[in-house]
Amino acid sequence: DAGITQSPRHKVTETGTPVTLRCHQTENHRYMYWYRQDPGHGLRLIHYSYGVKDTDKGEVSDGYSVSRSKTEDFLLTLESATSSQTSVYFCAISESEGKGDTEAFFGQGTRLTVV
Amino acid sequence: AQSVSQHNHHVILSEAASLELGCNYSYGGTVNLFWYVQYPGQHLQLLLKYFSGDPLVKGIKGFEAEFIKSKFSFNLRKPSVQWSDTAEYFCAVRGNAGNMLTFGGGTRLMVKP
Repeated sequence: DAGITQSPRHKVTETGTPVTLRCHQTENHRYMYWYRQDPGHGLRLIHYSYGVKDTDKGEVSDGYSVSRSKTEDFLLTLESATSSQTSVYFCAISESEGKGDTEAFFGQGTRLTVV
Repeated sequence: AQSVSQHNHHVILSEAASLELGCNYSYGGTVNLFWYVQYPGQHLQLLLKYFSGDPLVKGIKGFEAEFIKSKFSFNLRKPSVQWSDTAEYFCAVRGNAGNMLTFGGGTRLMVKP
């Protein structure tokens, strides 16, 4: 398995509280992604990063922010959690296209419940 | 924008039956195509991928997929499924802009012993 660690693995939080999920990689991959997985929707991209301090929005970015201050860490923050953000969150990494064709590798996921 | 459609949301098969899961994508340029599998309680793992060359791609565990460019399709097949293939299967596409990976809604496969 690729060296990707997500923390925490499970979290229950109250509506309106801030939450930060962490993704840590040991592969030195350039690209990092945050997805959420919901039944019937597959995985939907929240935000992604193509380098330190370089991030962009995905298709479901409202209510989320990200930061990448180091190559190995990509943080996802829910500024004020809502029940609609109850989901399983996956981090993924991949190398840049310039270094050949590669697939994305996924972390173990974080199950977040907002009550 | 790129999008992916998986036609079957739930599939139930008996062991030894043949499997074909449909995947169609929407993107105007060159694409990379993937099938991922997620076993219960686990993260996504790559089954196979297509970047270029032979449109018939063989992956792990006896799975294969065929890229048909004219139909914008990348269907997953396995001639004889096993109980251990029970999982959720995701088709994904990556266009040549931004390196974003877009997933279909997934197909949940249950194989009865």
